[in-house]
Amino acid sequence: AQSVAQPEDQVNVAEGNPLTVKCTYSVSGNPYLFWYVQYPNRGLQFLLKYITGDNLVKGSYGFEAEFNKSQTSFHLKKPSALVSDSALYFCAVRDGSNYQLIWGAGTKLIIKP
Amino acid sequence: IAGITQAPTSQILAAGRRMTLRCTQDMRHNAMYWYRQDLGLGLRLIHYSNTAGTTGKGEVPDGYSVSRANTDDFPLTLASAVPSQTSVYFCASSPTGTSNTGELFFGEGSRLTVL
Repeated sequence: AQSVAQPEDQVNVAEGNPLTVKCTYSVSGNPYLFWYVQYPNRGLQFLLKYITGDNLVKGSYGFEAEFNKSQTSFHLKKPSALVSDSALYFCAVRDGSNYQLIWGAGTKLIIKP
Repeated sequence: IAGITQAPTSQILAAGRRMTLRCTQDMRHNAMYWYRQDLGLGLRLIHYSNTAGTTGKGEVPDGYSVSRANTDDFPLTLASAVPSQTSVYFCASSPTGTSNTGELFFGEGSRLTVL
């Protein structure tokens, strides 16, 4: 079965430090991987995606993600965290059979001043 | 810029009542989706529509129905609400369906409480 795991419910980072939000996946075939962000009481916003090509994908708000096929991971990263990055982050993978997205449970990112 | 509009933003509903959550998009996207978001479970797909006139069942369709009479509107109906349907509901759209590149556009959500 295809699935996405976000092993951390919450990640705490000091402002200015690098941040990583982890995501691992299980999918048949080539994975289509995504990161979305949700600010409080808002809908989700697309951040970035990996479909093919360079393993390091750059997205909105200075975020990037690294695709690692051998580790089946797609961790979200940012070199220097901002307080405004505090939000809920979701990893997703596209189901190869019906093209729908399968979502992780989400990771709450808290950036402390 | 409107994007996706959901209504109502919040509703408290007695169990057994019928409820329709409205969703309208102005981006002329072909595909539309309804998700529910529950703490610790992420997003779960209820129903989807790849194009006007067609609908499909997602992961958790029981107790819900949808229709897609035109491109812009995709209402979600709870025929007889139950407390387990208490959730935040998100409508989303994407330019394409079956060749979905995964870039979804979300509404602001409808918070539904069933008592």
